Amino acid sequence: SQQGEEDPQALSIQEGENATMNCSYKTSINNLQWYRQNSGRGLVHLILIRSNEREKHSGRLRVTLDTSKKSSSLLITASRAADTASYFCATRGATNKLIFGTGTLLAVQP
Amino acid sequence: DTEVTQTPKHLVMGMTNKKSLKCEQHMGHRAMYWYKQKAKKPPELMFVYSYEKLSINESVPSRFSPECPNSSLLNLHLHALQPEDSALYLCASSQGAIATGSEQYFGPGTRLTVT
Repeated sequence: SQQGEEDPQALSIQEGENATMNCSYKTSINNLQWYRQNSGRGLVHLILIRSNEREKHSGRLRVTLDTSKKSSSLLITASRAADTASYFCATRGATNKLIFGTGTLLAVQP
Repeated sequence: DTEVTQTPKHLVMGMTNKKSLKCEQHMGHRAMYWYKQKAKKPPELMFVYSYEKLSINESVPSRFSPECPNSSLLNLHLHALQPEDSALYLCASSQGAIATGSEQYFGPGTRLTVT
């Protein structure tokens, strides 16, 4: 079963613009993680934010977490063509299983 | 070495065949996972091994049989599959046991087609 719902399903932007993806989930979590997947390949871990954290940065990535609204956002600043990929949020709850969201397909036009 | 390797990259098999998918990591990780991913869908958890013992089976049909020969290797044995089992099969590992909630490292996947 999928716990996370992501919005938008697809996003197309120009190189240099910022991209924002949102994730909503249903139950309480221990942490929330974001992964990137290039077409037909494995997933790459981007960033992990714990339930007691509100914001985290890693390079051009900024993640926020609002546990009261059960939502998270991933901001990619100054996007590049190489950022073109699918992005998944994944939540880890009481069962400790990683449940992936539906994903956002990001296309960055050069 | 921060890599999870999977073989083969592509596999085509008939419904009466028996085949195996292999996964290997040399990062000293103690948890290993199998996921199934259909096109344009998120990965879905199938099995989890923690300290070489099967700790989670997500009600996967018995035609999929996992095996963890040692802490570095994970196999998925396939038998009598159906065309709807065609998918990308992803292996992952994490440093601690699943309860630690640590990040997972994914292999590139095996693209399976059942004819």
